[in-house]
Amino acid sequence: DTAVSQTPKYLVTQMGNDKSIKCEQNLGHDTMYWYKQDSKKFLKIMFSYNNKELIINETVPNRFSPKSPDKAHLNLHINSLELGDSAVYFCASSQSMLAGGLGLLNEQFFGPGTRLTVL
Amino acid sequence: GNSVTQMEGPVTLSEEAFLTINCTYTATGYPSLFWYVQYPGEGLQLLLKATKADDKGSNKGFEATYRKETTSFHLEKGSVQVSDSAVYFCALSDRYSGGGADGLTFGKGTHLIIQP
Repeated sequence: DTAVSQTPKYLVTQMGNDKSIKCEQNLGHDTMYWYKQDSKKFLKIMFSYNNKELIINETVPNRFSPKSPDKAHLNLHINSLELGDSAVYFCASSQSMLAGGLGLLNEQFFGPGTRLTVL
Repeated sequence: GNSVTQMEGPVTLSEEAFLTINCTYTATGYPSLFWYVQYPGEGLQLLLKATKADDKGSNKGFEATYRKETTSFHLEKGSVQVSDSAVYFCALSDRYSGGGADGLTFGKGTHLIIQP
């Protein structure tokens, strides 16, 4: 199936640990993103990568480090996990549009999410 | 900066009722607008989209019209079903300015509950 996939789906860990979440897309898109959804369902962009280069880095603690080994993958590594990191993390991808300099669609396709619980 | 405001939920309706979920936005550029839906325990799915003023996005009986004069993109459906129960997110993407891939700016989501 063509899709955005994430592993693991659930992640339960202790405070202070280091963990990684993996994301892969086989849609041929050149841009990938990480979003955080908090307990109130609010979604906020964390990072964006275009052709393996970091484009957006919102105000996120530097304990969070994205890594893009190739255009199809964007992994999220989190060091020294804290209670407040508990959330659902969504990966997404899109194909950037360059039609005459006008920013068209940027329709993003989302993965199923990874529910991180820090104890 | 960009922002999206949508009505607070939960919104509870009976089956076959008419649905409106309000969404207004603030953007520095000329954004594209989206509605995403999140069913329980799942990721986000694009429901519909519009890229310019007066465009109407539609899908699965849902509609929304891009209103530049009122900076709105309200979601409507004429007759809701129990299976429409989900969280609905209004979102915008600013125009691509040649350098970056914009993250979406989301509203806070509206939880819709349809009762049989």
